[in-house]
This record gives sequence, C-alpha cells and structure tokens, in this order.
Amino acid sequence: SQQGEEDPQALSIQEGENATMNCSYKTSINNLQWYRQNSGRGLVHLILIRSNEREKHSGRLRVTLDTSKKSSSLLITASRAADTASYFCATAIYGNNRLAFGKGNQVVVIP
Amino acid sequence: DGGITQSPKYLFRKEGQNVTLSCEQNLNHDAMYWYRQDPGQGLRLIYYSQIVNDFQKGDIAEGYSVSREKKESFPLTVTSAQKNPTAFYLCASSMGGTAEAFFGQGTRLTVV
Repeated sequence: SQQGEEDPQALSIQEGENATMNCSYKTSINNLQWYRQNSGRGLVHLILIRSNEREKHSGRLRVTLDTSKKSSSLLITASRAADTASYFCATAIYGNNRLAFGKGNQVVVIP
Repeated sequence: DGGITQSPKYLFRKEGQNVTLSCEQNLNHDAMYWYRQDPGQGLRLIYYSQIVNDFQKGDIAEGYSVSREKKESFPLTVTSAQKNPTAFYLCASSMGGTAEAFFGQGTRLTVV
C-alpha cells in the first residue's frame, strides 16, 4: 500500500522557532491529512487538505500541498513546549477506503 | 461525550494465549480500523470495517481476527498464531475511508 514518508525524521528546536516537516507520497490522492501523537497516546487529527487545494491554515499550523511533486509540508509557527510530539501524514487515495500513514516525524521543542 | 474508547490500556499475554482488545465508539461512524504501532514506526493497518457485519484484511492481518456485529464495536483478537504481538494497538473510526479519523488512546500489549 502507498504510504507517506515524512522528512526530517526527527527535529529539535527552541521554543518560539518555527518547525517545518515534509511528507512525500507516490500515487494520486483524494486528500492528505496531518496528525499529532503525544507519547503513548492516540493520534489527534490536525488538518486535512484536499487534492485541489494548495494551502491551508489552522491556528499556528500551515499546510501546503504540491500534487505535481507529490509532497506536502506542515509548518508550526512560534512553537511551544506543548508541541513536542510525533507528527504523521496520512494519504487518502481515490477509490480506497483507508488511510495510509507515514512513519512519523518526532519534534522536540526545548523550553 | 462523543469519542472512541479502547480497553484495557495495558494488557499482558502469556505465550499461546488469545487476547481480545476492546474498541467502542459513540460517534455514529460507519468505518472502524485497527492499527499496530511498533517503536519508532508508523501505523500499519491490521483490519478495517466499512459497515456492520463486513470487514477486510489490512496489510498485516495474519494472526489477528475481528468482528463487527454492532456499529459501535470492533473488537480485535490477537491469536496465538501472531508470533510477535508485543506492540501498541490503536483503534480508529471515521465517517468513511477518506475522512478524518478519530483515534482511541491505545492498548499496549506485552507478551510475558
């Protein structure tokens, strides 16, 4: 099955800095979603961007989607210690009743 | 409160035993999913169900079984045929295959 692949795998930043992570995928998609997972917990949905959208904002989150390059980026602005988590991208493929998750991107925000 | 509940949070299994993980949702979602997560890894799909009394194998179904007798419930049984069951198991539900997924808090299964 197709999966998203996040890059970089791990990121350590100072509080107040911006964090950017990327996700690449291989086939045409219906939408792409980003999730956050705190250690030992379930995933929480952050944002969904459809294949006909190029950019979307939600609070301090900005997501872009480039379908020609089959890639997406998640930007967290003015990071906080509470943003420390793993971030996953997931792709929804046309005609496929399931999401395919990447391996995740661990972000550590240092106070 | 609407949500998805997994139980137990921690589960210990002896070699050769079957164990069942519970997943209940009151979100009125048609679709439910079971994922396995190993340390430092992404989510791998075990089984999913789009409607009551119907389910499909995911990418790593061997050694697992499920049932979907009620819309609200999608229990996962880890059988003795699963040779490496120690992992974090996540249940999720959604309105449909491409919609956002809502996750439970997970069950950590350890073989002792």
